Amino acid sequence: GENVEQHPSTLSVQEGDSAVIKCTYSDSASNYFPWYKQELGKGPQLIIDIRSNVGEKKDQRIAVTLNKTAKHFSLHITETQPEDSAVYFCAASLTENYGGSQGNLIFGKGTKLSVKP
Amino acid sequence: KAGVTQTPRYLIKTRGQQVTLSCSPISGHRSVSWYQQTPGQGLQFLFEYFSETQRNKGNFPGRFSGRQFSNSRSEMNVSTLELGDSALYLCASSFVSSYNSPLHFGNGTRLTVT
Repeated sequence: GENVEQHPSTLSVQEGDSAVIKCTYSDSASNYFPWYKQELGKGPQLIIDIRSNVGEKKDQRIAVTLNKTAKHFSLHITETQPEDSAVYFCAASLTENYGGSQGNLIFGKGTKLSVKP
Repeated sequence: KAGVTQTPRYLIKTRGQQVTLSCSPISGHRSVSWYQQTPGQGLQFLFEYFSETQRNKGNFPGRFSGRQFSNSRSEMNVSTLELGDSALYLCASSFVSSYNSPLHFGNGTRLTVT
């Protein structure tokens, strides 16, 4: 089945620095790649997503890049702030007729980002 | 627009009991998915419902079941609770099938089994 690998599992940066989280996926048919941020005591919140017909997408300090040939995508956070501290999850879609026991989105294991003031 | 609402937020049950968790999706969303989140296993897919029909089911024992009502609200039930069922249970909704449209999560129900 589909597999999503996420690295690193923990990341500590100084306020104002950039943070990069990388994910690789195995199903070449995946065409939708969302990123989620989960703060303590809350559910994952969708922060940005990208589809396979786009190589890069940016929203203020957050950007996502996608390399379909290499089957990897990355989250970039610039000018990090303490409120960016959270666990970030990447995910990759399965084709609709493949879903089955894995559901339609496969999640990475998460990256705990700590931004030190 | 109100987000995904899950009730209750916290539950404490003892082994052998059963529990029912409730989820109200975002208005207009017809797909509801359930996930179990634990520190060791991450987000694990339980099942997805679309227009009252179960579309996909994860690799969980039959003690885990769910249903969706005509207003898209969903419930999941866990019978004969085990200690290992302690987890955060997340509900997520999407406009259509979650494979290609944004999935929006609630804040979860924290279940503790003693």
